[in-house]
Amino acid sequence: GAGVSQSPSNKVTEKGKDVELRCDPISGHTALYWYRQRLGQGLEFLIYFQGNSAPDKSGLPSDRFSAERTGESVSTLTIQRTQQEDSAVYLCASSLQHDNEQFFGPGTRLTVL
Amino acid sequence: DAKTTQPPSMDCAEGRAANLPCNHSTISGNEYVYWYRQIHSQGPQYIIHGLKNNETNEMASLIITEDRKSSTLILPHATLRDTAVYYCIDYNQGGKLIFGQGTELSVKP
Repeated sequence: GAGVSQSPSNKVTEKGKDVELRCDPISGHTALYWYRQRLGQGLEFLIYFQGNSAPDKSGLPSDRFSAERTGESVSTLTIQRTQQEDSAVYLCASSLQHDNEQFFGPGTRLTVL
Repeated sequence: DAKTTQPPSMDCAEGRAANLPCNHSTISGNEYVYWYRQIHSQGPQYIIHGLKNNETNEMASLIITEDRKSSTLILPHATLRDTAVYYCIDYNQGGKLIFGQGTELSVKP
């Protein structure tokens, strides 16, 4: 079946511009997660959605970062006024329930010039 | 910060078993041992998890010591496609995964 998909696969933007990254989770998965992976580094948690509960935003690095999720479907991660240090691969994952294994998408590689 | 510790790298000959160790010195009673791997330029992939008992699935086996302070992931017949970074994670089955630096496994012909 279809896995987690993300778009775009690559995004190059200029410093100061806003970007939107999209994640389509596996159908029926109630939990959705965003992570960031800088070059040569491990994954950093950003935000977590579980059903209709308030999202866990504890990993968002600044108020320039925000995310939304419509019901139990697509999610959008928005980065405003991008900075060069935002350059990374942004990974989305979903799970059937919050206590199941997470399935990851291929990521969006963001490059801020 | 990650709670687990792993060797930074390991080599394994193709066709041989790969045994990847992990120390869980601060694991709590409600945390599971999860293993993921990340092949270059791909998203992480779930491998296996367990609480107290040893587990086996089509990908790997997981051995957890009785005190749960260490675990070993076993790939019984490693192939070149198993070359990846392997992460062990203490996970309380809710919310975020906290990834450490992992073990970079190189399977060599």
